[in-house]
Amino acid sequence: EVQLVESGGGLIQPGGSLRLSCAASGFTVSSKFMSWVRQAPGKGLEWVSITSIAGTTYYADSVKGRFTINRDNSKNTLYLQMNSLRAEDTAVYYCARDVYESGGWDFDYWGQGTLVTVFS
Amino acid sequence: QSALTQPDSVSGSPGQSITISCTGTSSDVGGYNYVSWYQQYSGKAPKLMIYDVSNRPSGVSNRFSGSKSGNTASLTISGLQAEDEADYYCSSYRSNSALVFGGGTSLTVL
Repeated sequence: EVQLVESGGGLIQPGGSLRLSCAASGFTVSSKFMSWVRQAPGKGLEWVSITSIAGTTYYADSVKGRFTINRDNSKNTLYLQMNSLRAEDTAVYYCARDVYESGGWDFDYWGQGTLVTVFS
Repeated sequence: QSALTQPDSVSGSPGQSITISCTGTSSDVGGYNYVSWYQQYSGKAPKLMIYDVSNRPSGVSNRFSGSKSGNTASLTISGLQAEDEADYYCSSYRSNSALVFGGGTSLTVL
């Protein structure tokens, strides 16, 4: 059974850093495109970042230069390193698995989400 | 990265059909067949309902269907049921290697 479990969220001050983890089971993260999507309280979904099987990474303009996506194949875990956090980064962060190995940019499995709150 | 345009809300009675539109540009919806639809209940993770414009994942009811014409994609739910009441989001690949979501549509089953 495919499962994604996020962790690492919490309260952080503006300018701080946080690393989110997404532990996968039932498949290997190295075999699929993997993504992070966030949802601010009461708002819609916003794509954050995606990594390809080859390790190529893409980012939304709103996080480019501040966030880094990567994975540890030995731990079967996806990460999101978030630096220079801002109040507008406050959201529930979901990790999600792409339908295709080649990257269809659509996601068939999602984690339960982890809440990041940036406040001063 | 501006969002795709969806109606804020739609409603229908049990048994009826409703359609939710998702309008983008030739750089996203109109240019690629990477359009997806997600269902989300309050406080829960999104669930994939349609991918690649019109494909249904295993386990999703055939009451859900997707289509696209030009820069507008559509999700149709037929035989509306109370359990369909949720938020629905479209998404599309965009030409600068990005993904864009719609603002979301709240479906009310009357």
